[in-house]
Amino acid sequence: ETGVTQSPTHLIKTRGQQVTLRCSSQSGHNTVSWYQQALGQGPQFIFQYYREEENGRGNFPPRFSGLQFPNYSSELNVNALELDDSALYLCASSDPRLAGDTDTQYFGPGTRLTVL
Amino acid sequence: AQRVTQPEKLLSVFKGAPVELKCNYSYSGSPELFWYVQYSRQRLQLLLRHISRESIKGFTADLNKGETSFHLKKPFAQEEDSAMYYCALRYYGQNFVFGPGTRLSVLP
Repeated sequence: ETGVTQSPTHLIKTRGQQVTLRCSSQSGHNTVSWYQQALGQGPQFIFQYYREEENGRGNFPPRFSGLQFPNYSSELNVNALELDDSALYLCASSDPRLAGDTDTQYFGPGTRLTVL
Repeated sequence: AQRVTQPEKLLSVFKGAPVELKCNYSYSGSPELFWYVQYSRQRLQLLLRHISRESIKGFTADLNKGETSFHLKKPFAQEEDSAMYYCALRYYGQNFVFGPGTRLSVLP
């Protein structure tokens, strides 16, 4: 069983640009959530995808969008980058079908995005 | 609005001493509470969830709806417990709110 992976590890962009972050879920997990973690703060929920559809969303503007693919990989896209978007972006996968393990999210190592 | 607070940014205790990490939440519905932990150079991981009423690595947490709290406790802290601890609330079935975290430092 493979763990959650994210790419790239680090990324530097300039204000106004667009960025795509990638996540490969743990094998067989059909649910992925994305979080933004600013320095010194807890993770903030961006959205969740289940079976390739958005299943819940936090308080983030529409320029944050996502995709989930049938092979359990997913993307987080951010348009019109702002300085405040600089943060660690985490993805977490889970599988509600697993008996007794419905609440367990498995986190990736994160992608650190710096916006200049 | 849903909110999770952890009043202590840093908590230092000596090995063998009891430890309590405080967590309070605000939510009008039926809460689902979790504790997550991040050890040095490791990923964020689930420690325990209130619905399971379990003890993990000697830690327990009881949901107190009257005080809207979900404090994490351990009677005898170990050096390996040093880590960042986050309290989290799940609402609407899949949305999460995390607290700002408490860094626990267990001194020898």
